[in-house]
Amino acid sequence: SQQGEEDPQALSIQEGENATMNCSYKTSINNLQWYRQNSGRGLVHLILIRSNEREKHSGRLRVTLDTSKKSSSLLITASRAADTASYFCAPLGGAQKLVFGQGTRLTINP
Amino acid sequence: GAVVSQHPSRVICKSGTSVKIECRSLDFQATTMFWYRQFPKQSLMLMATSNEGSKATYEQGVEKDKFLINHASLTLSTLTVTSAHPEDSSFYICSAREQGADTEAFFGQGTRLTVV
Repeated sequence: SQQGEEDPQALSIQEGENATMNCSYKTSINNLQWYRQNSGRGLVHLILIRSNEREKHSGRLRVTLDTSKKSSSLLITASRAADTASYFCAPLGGAQKLVFGQGTRLTINP
Repeated sequence: GAVVSQHPSRVICKSGTSVKIECRSLDFQATTMFWYRQFPKQSLMLMATSNEGSKATYEQGVEKDKFLINHASLTLSTLTVTSAHPEDSSFYICSAREQGADTEAFFGQGTRLTVV
C-alpha cells in the first residue's frame, strides 16, 4: 500500500475564493480517492477518480489526475466556511488498504 | 450513501481495564474493515485490516495482543483495547468497504478514548 502526500500542509483563504490542494504518490494506482475530515469526526468520502480518468467533477469539487506525473489535485470552488476541514488523498493500487498522509488543513475565513 | 456506525463515540476508562469499540456497517456487507488511530493534529495511522471470518492483519509495530480485533460477521467488527494505559488515549476510527477494489471506504464517527 502507499500513501499520498498532500500539499500544502495548511491553506487559509477567504470565503468565496477557490482552494486548490495537491497530492503526489509514488507507484501505479487503480484509483485515487479524496476524503474530508472535520475536526473530531470520521472521514467522509468526496470523490473517486480512476486511473484511466483525467478529470472528474462533483458539485463544487473538481479533481484531476495525471498518472504520468503521479499527481492529483482537488479544487474547491466558491469556498464556504463549512469547507473548513482536513483533506486527504488516498491512492489505491493492488493492495486494498487505504493509507493516508498528513493531509491539507483548509481554513475558510469569513 | 452507505453508513458505518461506530460506538461508543467517547469513553473514559481506568488504567488496566479493557475497552471494546464496535463498528457496524448498517446497509451493506463489509468483507473488510479497517481500524485507524489518530493523534491530535496528525494523520490516521492504519492499525489493522479486519477480514470477516479470519484473523486480522496487523500493521508493523501494532501489538495484536494489545489491540484485539474480531470480525465475526459481515456487518460487525470490534476492536478491544486490552489493559489500557494512558498512552493508549487516542481517537480510533473504523472504516468499511464493500467487496471490490474500485470502491470508496465509509468511515465511522470515531471513538475518543481517554485512559485515566
